[in-house]
Amino acid sequence: NAGVTQTPKFRVLKTGQSMTLLCAQDMNHEYMYWYRQDPGMGLRLIHYSVGEGTTAKGEVPDGYNVSRLKKQNFLLGLESAAPSQTSVYFCASSYQRDRSYGYTFGSGTRLTVV
Amino acid sequence: GDSVTQMEGPVTLSEEAFLTINCTYTATGYPSLFWYVQYPGEGLQLLLKATKADDKGSNKGFEATYRKETTSFHLEKGSVQVSDSAVYFCALSDRDSGGYQKVTFGTGTKLQVIP
Repeated sequence: NAGVTQTPKFRVLKTGQSMTLLCAQDMNHEYMYWYRQDPGMGLRLIHYSVGEGTTAKGEVPDGYNVSRLKKQNFLLGLESAAPSQTSVYFCASSYQRDRSYGYTFGSGTRLTVV
Repeated sequence: GDSVTQMEGPVTLSEEAFLTINCTYTATGYPSLFWYVQYPGEGLQLLLKATKADDKGSNKGFEATYRKETTSFHLEKGSVQVSDSAVYFCALSDRDSGGYQKVTFGTGTKLQVIP
């Protein structure tokens, strides 16, 4: 019963480097989300997906891309990392037919861009 | 649009003190309401929820009542423990204009309980 698994847990990048964060869920949830968490800013939605093969922009999508080729996986890509992308990234999933279901979150990826 | 407002933190309490964290919301529809908890170094976990007016959600000694008339969902606990030290997020779930479910989070309130 893994729930939502994020890899890696920690990463340090140099400015301009690229990387992909992986989120995997084993609950057969339709919806998946990527958030970033910064001090004093709460959670901000980057991108989300309402099903396999679909993606949509959240409130802070610039500098990120996503893909959902398989229902259980949601990838977040940084093509050219910038120091402003230093943050903790959380993936979440939900069974969206029921708006009272709530989200299941992963444990986060702490990314530092130097 | 929807919004959630939480009381500013950090909140520092002595062990066994009474806790209240205020949360108010604005929503265009009839949302479900949630409290999430984030322990240091971890992701958010669902603490409790309520789906309609006057519902009371409860878990681990915490409780919150869905008050539609005051658009509030305040979190309370009668006697806090050191292990309750965490960041607490209020959230609502509603339908957006496209019919998709959308969750809006508050900015979080940090609770520190001292022995």
